[in-house]
Amino acid sequence: GAVVSQHPSRVICKSGTSVKIECRSLDFQATTMFWYRQFPKKSLMLMATSNEGSKATYEQGVEKDKFLINHASLTLSTLTVTSAHPEDSSFYICSALAGKETQYFGPGTRLLVL
Amino acid sequence: AQSVTQLGSHVSVSEGALVLLRCNYSSSVPPYLFWYVQYPNQGLQLLLKYTTGATLVKGINGFEAEFKKSETSFHLTKPSAHMSDAAEYFCAVSEDAGTALIFGKGTTLSVSS
Repeated sequence: GAVVSQHPSRVICKSGTSVKIECRSLDFQATTMFWYRQFPKKSLMLMATSNEGSKATYEQGVEKDKFLINHASLTLSTLTVTSAHPEDSSFYICSALAGKETQYFGPGTRLLVL
Repeated sequence: AQSVTQLGSHVSVSEGALVLLRCNYSSSVPPYLFWYVQYPNQGLQLLLKYTTGATLVKGINGFEAEFKKSETSFHLTKPSAHMSDAAEYFCAVSEDAGTALIFGKGTTLSVSS
């Protein structure tokens, strides 16, 4: 089956620093990847759609200058949380589109900003 | 705009009992429907999906779901619950192939022995 990895799985950082999260499709190529954010006991909220070789499309209310997305290859998308604040603490999950219909999700990255 | 409603944020069943998790959707176009399962501190695993064709869809781990257009529903069932089925279950909809998913709020399934 299609496998998506994320790195790191957990990260703790100080307020004001930047954190990069990687999302990789291990056994397939993905021209489209998605970044979601999940709050405790809450559903997943789409942050942005990442397309290889082009700028990401952000959902309303998501600051593109704060959440930088780069999709430089067909197997890698990165999300950089810049100038992190405690309210950015969350569970970030990426997914990669395999074929035309199905998204496969990464295991998630737990971010804690102190 | 699309939306998903999962009735019951928490469902408890006994081991061996029927599992029924409810999902209703709203969509102005023929929907693509999905069920995902999430174990604690993990990502989402696809259980099953409906795109076109047969309305009864079989997935992994003995789960199945039936697309009922007239009821705008896509309920998830399993004849006999197992302890390992305890997890968070999400129903999701997309309006087109390859587009972002809109998720329901999730249903926590508890299984007691």
